[in-house]
Formats: sequence, structure tokens, C-alpha cells
Amino acid sequence: EAGVAQSPRYKIIEKRQSVAFWCNPISGHATLYWYQQILGQGPKLLIQFQNNGVVDDSQLPKDRFSAERLKGVDSTLKIQPAKLEDSAVYLCASSPTMTSGGLNEQFFGPGTRLTVL
Amino acid sequence: DQQVKQNSPSLSVQEGRISILNCDYTNSMFDYFLWYKKYPAEGPTFLISISSIKDKNEDGRFTVFLNKSAKHLSLHIVPSQPGDSAVYFCAASQTSGTYKYIFGTGTRLKVLA
Repeated sequence: EAGVAQSPRYKIIEKRQSVAFWCNPISGHATLYWYQQILGQGPKLLIQFQNNGVVDDSQLPKDRFSAERLKGVDSTLKIQPAKLEDSAVYLCASSPTMTSGGLNEQFFGPGTRLTVL
Repeated sequence: DQQVKQNSPSLSVQEGRISILNCDYTNSMFDYFLWYKKYPAEGPTFLISISSIKDKNEDGRFTVFLNKSAKHLSLHIVPSQPGDSAVYFCAASQTSGTYKYIFGTGTRLKVLA
């Protein structure tokens, strides 16, 4: 079974530039997550999709970050314009359909390391 | 407000000995807990989980203990192996609502050969 794919793996940009990350979840997984992991911290959820609908985007800085999951499969996360503090690893994860009373483990991709200069 | 805390940023253990990684949480609504392991340049991988209806869950060399009254969980690795050297994250969630995971800051485990 193929895992979660992410691209690019690394990206270096200047502040105020734009950047986009792509994620292809495991086939059949309905739930997709984008996390931001700043050095020395744990992953922080930015946005969660169930199929192509947003379940939680409470921690997404909506003035500069946007995400979409067209057709309920792959997803893109965009930052426009980038700030120095956006330097982090951006992780995508997927899980099977959320079930009542239980949880499914999340499967993570390798991440995209973003450096903003 | 850090709802999930891992107060030890690093831990070194001799090969063959026990590794104990600790995690504390503040939100009493959390009822599902997981441990993830992360190697450099890779995404976290699921290790073991525990529901709040249990106080222990075992999987091979890995055991997770949950103390609900203390809002504390721990991961025991016995015996520790050099391949266990990685960063370990605990995560907590509620089985109602959006199933959002809150991750701790991680503990870097180094197993010395």
C-alpha cells in the first residue's frame, strides 16, 4: 500500500513570496490533515478535511494560509505571502473515515521543509 | 496553553535497558491517547494507542500506561534497541467532535549500544 505522498520535500523562499505544497493521501482515506511543525515543537493541526469538506480550520491563519481538497482526494496548502515565522515542516496526514466512538490512526507523509529567508 | 506536555526533551538509555517516556495532559475531556515515533526527514509513524477505558496497553516491546487521575501517560520500551533512537510524540484526542489530535513537544530518545 502506497503511503502519503508530499511534494516538494524542501523549499526555500524569500519573505513575502508565495508557496504551495501538495499532498496525495492513502487511497480510500476520507480524512486529510495538514500540520505545521516548528523546530522543537510538536505538530500543530492547521486544517482537517473530511472528503472535500472542512471539519476544523480553527488554527489556520486565514489571512495568509489557504487549503483546498478538490474531489476529496489530493490537497494543496498555500501560503501567500510568507513570513519568517512560517519556517517549519508542513506535514500531511490521512486516516480512514472517522467512526463514532473510536479513532483511526493517522498516517503521515514525509513532510515539506520550508525555509523563509 | 500547552494541553499536552512532554517535559523531558531528551533521554539516553543503554541498549537492553528500559526506556520510560512521560507525557502529561491538562484536558480531562481527552479520552484517547497515542504515541508516534519520528525519524529524521520522515513523517511520524504510529506506535501504540490507549483508550481511557484502559490503564495499560501492550504491543511487543512497547507498553503504554495511563493514569487518568494524574492525567499522565507513559511509554515503556523493554528492552531498548539502538533502532529505537528517534523522537517520540504523545498525542491526545477526544472521541467526540472533530477527533483533533493535540501533540506534545516530543522527547528525543537515544539508545546507546
